[in-house]
Amino acid sequence: NAGVTQTPKFRILKIGQSMTLQCAQDMNHNYMYWYRQDPGMGLKLIYYSVGAGITDKGEVPNGYNVSRSTTEDFPLRLELAAPSQTSVYFCASSYGDSNNEQFFGPGTRLTVL
Amino acid sequence: GESVGLHLPTLSVQEGDNSIINCAYSNSASDYFIWYKQESGKGPQFIIDIRSNMDKRQGQRVTVLLNKTVKHLSLQIAATQPGDSAVYFCAENRGTSYGKLTFGQGTILTVHP
Repeated sequence: NAGVTQTPKFRILKIGQSMTLQCAQDMNHNYMYWYRQDPGMGLKLIYYSVGAGITDKGEVPNGYNVSRSTTEDFPLRLELAAPSQTSVYFCASSYGDSNNEQFFGPGTRLTVL
Repeated sequence: GESVGLHLPTLSVQEGDNSIINCAYSNSASDYFIWYKQESGKGPQFIIDIRSNMDKRQGQRVTVLLNKTVKHLSLQIAATQPGDSAVYFCAENRGTSYGKLTFGQGTILTVHP
């Protein structure tokens, strides 16, 4: 199993540009999550999904959108990039309520200039 | 409350020593706790978890202690090795039903050979 994969690894955007961060998992996990991690800080939940077709906001959803059309994929969309969105983005997945161990991808480092 | 741009706590130990990393949580409804290890440039990696009906759980070289009275969680690493150098995060599930985790700020562990 590849686990949780993320693309791209690095990206530089100009203010106002848009992009999609890709995330995929091959563990047949129901739950998927997007976090951002700012320097010297813990992870903050942006959006999460408990299954295909179901998404919900986390702690810091503003400026982002997600979709979950399949169990495997959970892309994160930035429509109008802002410098405040410069961060490292991590995608994670887990089986569900009874086993909440989350498996993380390697991250995407995004810089908005 | 929110952490506001604080420097991460640090712990420096000699190789072979035991390490203790502490974490305070604020929500008495939290019923599940996890410790993650994050090496530089990588996503968090699961170390050990504990449910609120337990006060101690042991893994390989690691022990997690939970004190619900004072809302305190600790991670003990026995015979610390240079490969244990990383940032360690505690995370809690605040009694929600969707597997959402709230992460602490993190502690930098440095192991000197």
